[in-house]
Parts: sequence; structure tokens; C-alpha cells
Amino acid sequence: GENVEQHPSTLSVQEGDSAVIKCTYSDSASNYFPWYKQELGKRPQLIIDIRSNVGEKKDQRIAVTLNKTAKHFSLHITETQPEDSAVYFCAASITGTGGSYIPTFGRGTSLIVHP
Amino acid sequence: DSGVTQTPKHLITATGQRVTLRCSPRSGDLSVYWYQQSLDQGLQFLIQYYNGEERAKGNILERFSAQQFPDLHSELNLSSLELGDSALYFCASSVGALQGTEAFFGQGTRLTVV
Repeated sequence: GENVEQHPSTLSVQEGDSAVIKCTYSDSASNYFPWYKQELGKRPQLIIDIRSNVGEKKDQRIAVTLNKTAKHFSLHITETQPEDSAVYFCAASITGTGGSYIPTFGRGTSLIVHP
Repeated sequence: DSGVTQTPKHLITATGQRVTLRCSPRSGDLSVYWYQQSLDQGLQFLIQYYNGEERAKGNILERFSAQQFPDLHSELNLSSLELGDSALYFCASSVGALQGTEAFFGQGTRLTVV
């Protein structure tokens, strides 16, 4: 299976609703989990990250939770706004062939926020 | 602006040709990653270089190769191009090769093979 699985692939919400994106990973050695936002035609940009020594992290309307035992982590966006519409990628640092850690991405979630 | 520079932004070429994509990492970053983003395929890891040496390989085709130069810029060479190689190619850089270091992405090179 894939190293990082992400669901759903598409998420459509009304402005003001909450959105939740979930990811699972396979490498038990992973301890860094960033989330990136990619607007149409632009580069992915980090919006929030979490390390394995904490279970939750918040930054204004976004929050991430991590369950290391179950190997899953989630992104929560509250009070969604049209400008939140973008593709969101979760990532986990997976051990690469040379022993270094490779940011390995899920397939992405296209979030659409309807005004 | 992430500080990571990729050139060219767009590239159109014919099947069978060879192209070179260039990436300049952020000042001070030693690690460079290359990713391929095809439609609905997410970000597929291709290869990583750290301080001039290859550190990890992902799903990189044998027709593709890369290198990192002493000034730390990196080039991705794609040869014998096929229609299916059309994609957005991203370079990312980070300070090191350890976990917990943020990867900064360049704007990408959009390759179209016709």
C-alpha cells in the first residue's frame, strides 16, 4: 500500500462549515507531519505541522491532531471561507533508501468552499 | 516567495527529446528534493540530494537523472521524453536531511510533451 493515504479526495462544504481531512502513514519511525496548501497554479506551501511529541496543535482556524499509536493524523479547518478553497496535502517523513527522511505526500484533497 | 528558484517555468518539447530543469535552493539549504505532480497523482517523490550527494531515490525512471553541483543548485535531466512525462516538476529544499525540517517548494516547471 501507499506510504501515506489521504481521504477524502474531494471535499465540498458551505462557507462557515468545518472541514476535516484524514491521513494515515506506514513508517513507525515518522515523527514529523506537515500539511501543505496548494492553490491553483501555485506551489505547495506549509500551513501547519505537528511533531510526534504532541497530540494536537492549533493556529487560528486550523488544527492538526496526531494519533501515533494508530498512525493517523488529521487537519481540521473551522469557519471555512472561500479563500480556503485549494488542494491540501498531508505528508509524513518516511525513511528513504539512504537513511534520510523524505517528505512523502498523500494524494491530496481538493477542498471547495461554497459562498 | 519561498527562496527556491526553478527555471524554466514552462517547457514545451517533442517526444524523444531531452530537457534539463534547474533548481536553486534557498540560501543555506543543503538538501534538494525533486517531485513530479501529474493530474490527480499528487506529489510523487523522484530523488533527493544532500550536499552534492544522492541520498534517496523514489519512483524515478531510468530515463531521468539528476545531480547537485558544488554551489548546491540541482538539475533534473529528462530524456527520451514520452507524452506521459507531461507534468509539473517541483523542486523543494530544506536545511538538512533529518525529520522535522520544513521543505520549501519552488514555483515548479510545467513540462508539456507533444
